[in-house]
Amino acid sequence: GESVGLHLPTLSVQEGDNSIINCAYSNSASDYFIWYKQESGKGPQFIIDIRSNMDKRQGQRVTVLLNKTVKHLSLQIAATQPGDSAVYFCAENMAGTYKYIFGTGTRLKVLA
Amino acid sequence: KAGVTQTPRYLIKTRGQQVTLSCSPISGHRSVSWYQQTPGQGLQFLFEYFSETQRNKGNFPGRFSGRQFSNSRSEMNVSTLELGDSALYLCASSLGQETNEQFFGPGTRLTVL
Repeated sequence: GESVGLHLPTLSVQEGDNSIINCAYSNSASDYFIWYKQESGKGPQFIIDIRSNMDKRQGQRVTVLLNKTVKHLSLQIAATQPGDSAVYFCAENMAGTYKYIFGTGTRLKVLA
Repeated sequence: KAGVTQTPRYLIKTRGQQVTLSCSPISGHRSVSWYQQTPGQGLQFLFEYFSETQRNKGNFPGRFSGRQFSNSRSEMNVSTLELGDSALYLCASSLGQETNEQFFGPGTRLTVL
């Protein structure tokens, strides 16, 4: 499949462990954030979102934390599975712009 | 329901040529966004269309243009291709509100020789 990023930061975790992927966003006025997962040869896939009036949101096996003070997002994946291996991107949006700014991405490798 | 489709999937062009890429959104979606993805620059926003109107555009030269048709299908055009335009071009569709989920297509891999 196509290479998403040759020099992305990589996080390697053991299968069954929890993963934490971090993202620094750029615009303090951004008020909506999304985490995407991109597998080789595919487009990004929505995982979870959070609005700026929240600091935590949970989904199935995933949790997103938002710290507006330091413009930081994190994605926590519980009980990481081999199928979680992919590149993960955060994206930010400011209301009214209809534009998403993506972070550089982190490659997650799950070790068996 | 069919997903976002992009054609062609792969394209090889030479410098100076122009190219048109097509994106068919999910049925009922009226917003289409285009992104350029490269290993060095990551995912960069090109433009977004809703009901045939461009609502925003990214910081790309005027060689990059797009349009949307009344059936919400969208095309993007790159004229006078440069080597640096080699990239994966992704489109995403949504219902149109900014907090509506964007669904991405598989992309068109453009190689400029």
